Amino acid sequence: GAGVSQSPRYKVAKRGQDVALRCDPISGHVSLFWYQQALGQGPEFLTYFQNEAQLDKSGLPSDRFFAERPEGSVSTLKIQRTQQEDSAVYLCASSPNLAGSTDTQYFGPGTRLTVL
Amino acid sequence: DAKTTQPPSMDCAEGRAANLPCNHSTISGNEYVYWYRQIHSQGPQYIIHGLKNNETNEMASLIITEDRKSSTLILPHATLRDTAVYYCIVRVVSGKSTFGDGTTLTVKP
Repeated sequence: GAGVSQSPRYKVAKRGQDVALRCDPISGHVSLFWYQQALGQGPEFLTYFQNEAQLDKSGLPSDRFFAERPEGSVSTLKIQRTQQEDSAVYLCASSPNLAGSTDTQYFGPGTRLTVL
Repeated sequence: DAKTTQPPSMDCAEGRAANLPCNHSTISGNEYVYWYRQIHSQGPQYIIHGLKNNETNEMASLIITEDRKSSTLILPHATLRDTAVYYCIVRVVSGKSTFGDGTTLTVKP
């Protein structure tokens, strides 16, 4: 079946613009994660949803970052008033969260955001 | 989540086994060891995971020491397409993944 998809794959924004990044998880997956990956570094956790509930947003770097998953499926990561330090690849992952399973997370291809 | 330590880089000859080590000395009893790899410009790809027993799948083998403080990912016959950054992660079921900087594996012809 289809994997995790993200759109757009590339986004260029001028400093101060708002951007919205979309994640389509694997159908039926309960858990959804967002990660930020700076150039040359490993991904860093941003936030986590279980269905529509945002259970952990401890990794969001500032109040300019906002994520939602209103119907428990598609998720949107919004960044307001983008800054140059927001330039990174934003990765989405989903997992089935089945009881008794080891709950493997499957990653999308990422959205590369460049803020000029 | 427990911290992991991996060597920053390793080389391997094509066709030979690649053995990638990971230390996770503070792992908790309910934390699993996961391995992912990331090829340039792609999202991390799941490879294998385990709790305390050795595991094998079509991609790789995972050897976890008896005390669970370290593990080794084995790619039995490395190819040029296995060149990637390999991440070792320990986490609880359904928990967030804490990535380190990983090991850059370069497979050479």
